[in-house]
Amino acid sequence: AQKVTQAQTEISVVEKEDVTLDCVYETRDTTYYLFWYKQPPSGELVFLIRRNSFDEQNEISGRYSWNFQKSTSSFNFTITASQVVDSAVYFCALSELSGSARQLTFGSGTQLTVLP
Amino acid sequence: DTEVTQTPKHLVMGMTNKKSLKCEQHMGHRAMYWYKQKAKKPPELMFVYSYEKLSINESVPSRFSPECPNSSLLNLHLHALQPEDSALYLCASSPYRGTEAFFGQGTRLTVV
Repeated sequence: AQKVTQAQTEISVVEKEDVTLDCVYETRDTTYYLFWYKQPPSGELVFLIRRNSFDEQNEISGRYSWNFQKSTSSFNFTITASQVVDSAVYFCALSELSGSARQLTFGSGTQLTVLP
Repeated sequence: DTEVTQTPKHLVMGMTNKKSLKCEQHMGHRAMYWYKQKAKKPPELMFVYSYEKLSINESVPSRFSPECPNSSLLNLHLHALQPEDSALYLCASSPYRGTEAFFGQGTRLTVV
């Protein structure tokens, strides 16, 4: 069975600080996908990034960067120069193929609060 | 268009009422999902439709009845709900054998 662990329940930073959200996963699949989603207070889950198990190249996109390390089963997410609008719950998710559809397993989420 | 539209955004219903939640996407995705999310918890999968056929039912009580009339629409029919069913109900879609799921804004359901 697959599992996603986000050990950080809540993080508080002051605006312009960098913050890293941790994610550790377990899966028996050799092919899988990892995701980060953002959920602001409005409730919508916003897709941020996908990584597949064959692509360990890390990436920077604007203020966001991701660190995928298969050897440690980790998929961490960093926000550089945080802003108040980044305040939200961030979910890490793992996708396995179940029948003809992909099934997401979410971590418990990390509540990020960015203070002005 | 990467939008999944859910209606209504808010719903208050009594325990004897019958209501329906609606979800629509026009991205050509052939997999659609219903998730339930309680406060301060991650989303929990309820149902998966693939090519308009129910492929996964995560042991959801029969008072929740999903329906997929066509490839763009997904409904969730509600009947005789309990107060503990109050939650945010999220619809999502993904391409067949696709990867990321796109979520709607959800329906905040309150059962009184």
